[in-house]
Amino acid sequence: SQQGEEDPQALSIQEGENATMNCSYKTSINNLQWYRQNSGRGLVHLILIRSNEREKHSGRLRVTLDTSKKSSSLLITASRAADTASYFCATEVSGGSNYKLTFGKGTLLTVNP
Amino acid sequence: EAGVAQSPRYKIIEKRQSVAFWCNPISGHATLYWYQQILGQGPKLLIQFQNNGVVDDSQLPKDRFSAERLKGVDSTLKIQPAKLEDSAVYLCASSRMEGGRLGLMDEQFFGPGTRLTVL
Repeated sequence: SQQGEEDPQALSIQEGENATMNCSYKTSINNLQWYRQNSGRGLVHLILIRSNEREKHSGRLRVTLDTSKKSSSLLITASRAADTASYFCATEVSGGSNYKLTFGKGTLLTVNP
Repeated sequence: EAGVAQSPRYKIIEKRQSVAFWCNPISGHATLYWYQQILGQGPKLLIQFQNNGVVDDSQLPKDRFSAERLKGVDSTLKIQPAKLEDSAVYLCASSRMEGGRLGLMDEQFFGPGTRLTVL
């Protein structure tokens, strides 16, 4: 079942610009994670933000979480051509003793040189 | 540290044939996951192992899919018989997640995936 929904589905920007992607989800979560997937490669974990956190930074990445609105955003500053990839948000929910990730459909980011 | 290994990287079969995928997780990782990623969608969890026990297989089509993790290390995922709609990338991931929630252990490490085409 779909938990996270990324917006927009596709985003095209010029190198040096900032890119913002949003994620909305439906049920209460333990944490929310962002992953990147380059063409033909596996997913790479970018950042994790817990339900009691509001903002987190990692290098050029900034993630915010608003649990009242059930939404998160990922900001990539000073984008580079190498940032071209699909970005997925994944929400972690608990089902008894089991914790699992549910991924959205992703945002395809294209950074033009 | 070495990453998650998967093989084969690509597989083309005809419908109704069988296929198997192999995964070797990162050494010491207790939890192993198999995901199915259809083109244009996010990964969908098929099955999750904690050591060699299954903790979640609610989205695994058990009439045709099976998976095992012998000795709590390597894992295989099998499809028998395959259908056209099984065409997808099958991703294996692992995480530490040892015996209860450890805050810093939530990251999942993914392998490169196996791209399956069913004709």
